[in-house]
Amino acid sequence: DTGVSQDPRHKITKRGQNVTFRCDPISEHNRLYWYRQTLGQGPEFLTYFQNEAQLEKSRLLSDRFSAERPKGSFSTLEIQRTEQGDSAMYLCASSLDVREGGYTFGSGTRLTVV
Amino acid sequence: AQSVTQLDSQVPVFEEAPVELRCNYSSSVSVYLFWYVQYPNQGLQLLLKYLSGSTLVESINGFEAEFNKSQTSFHLRKPSVHISDTAEYFCAVRRFTGGGNKLTFGTGTQLKVEL
Repeated sequence: DTGVSQDPRHKITKRGQNVTFRCDPISEHNRLYWYRQTLGQGPEFLTYFQNEAQLEKSRLLSDRFSAERPKGSFSTLEIQRTEQGDSAMYLCASSLDVREGGYTFGSGTRLTVV
Repeated sequence: AQSVTQLDSQVPVFEEAPVELRCNYSSSVSVYLFWYVQYPNQGLQLLLKYLSGSTLVESINGFEAEFNKSQTSFHLRKPSVHISDTAEYFCAVRRFTGGGNKLTFGTGTQLKVEL
């Protein structure tokens, strides 16, 4: 297993465009998380899935954001009508559903909205 | 809710000198504690964690952290740093139960090791 993969690594988009990111977790991990990291800040929780069910969404996740994990494997995060404030690193992580389950993070997708 | 405070945004240190990165947390429930390291243009890597047992935990590359419940702290230390330790370090907490294993992170401390 090569760990958590995220695609693309970098995305530059014009304001108002839609973007979609993909995350492939470690295959046996049933939990998948999305975090957002802006410059000078720690990662902030956006949402998480257990298998295909989206169990929690942060209030940071406005209605322009949507995440899916259709078959309990890979996940997508879509941002509609991007704004400059959406510029950030979007991190995906996966873990097992155990109390001591540690996260494995992907390398992230850096989004720049111009 | 939980919160994590990392008071030092940047810590410059000379190679082979000791270093301490401070982390304090606030939580109304019991939490697990973590340190993650992030190298430039990479994701976060788990450095060490405190789940239970001995309050002093160690990583394979010489870092250690001590959980102090009375002071709600989990400071990270290394007795002798190397240039390759230059990175950003994040302290994080997670609830014992519930919360979906969500991590709450501090704002990070940039460790810069100089010759």
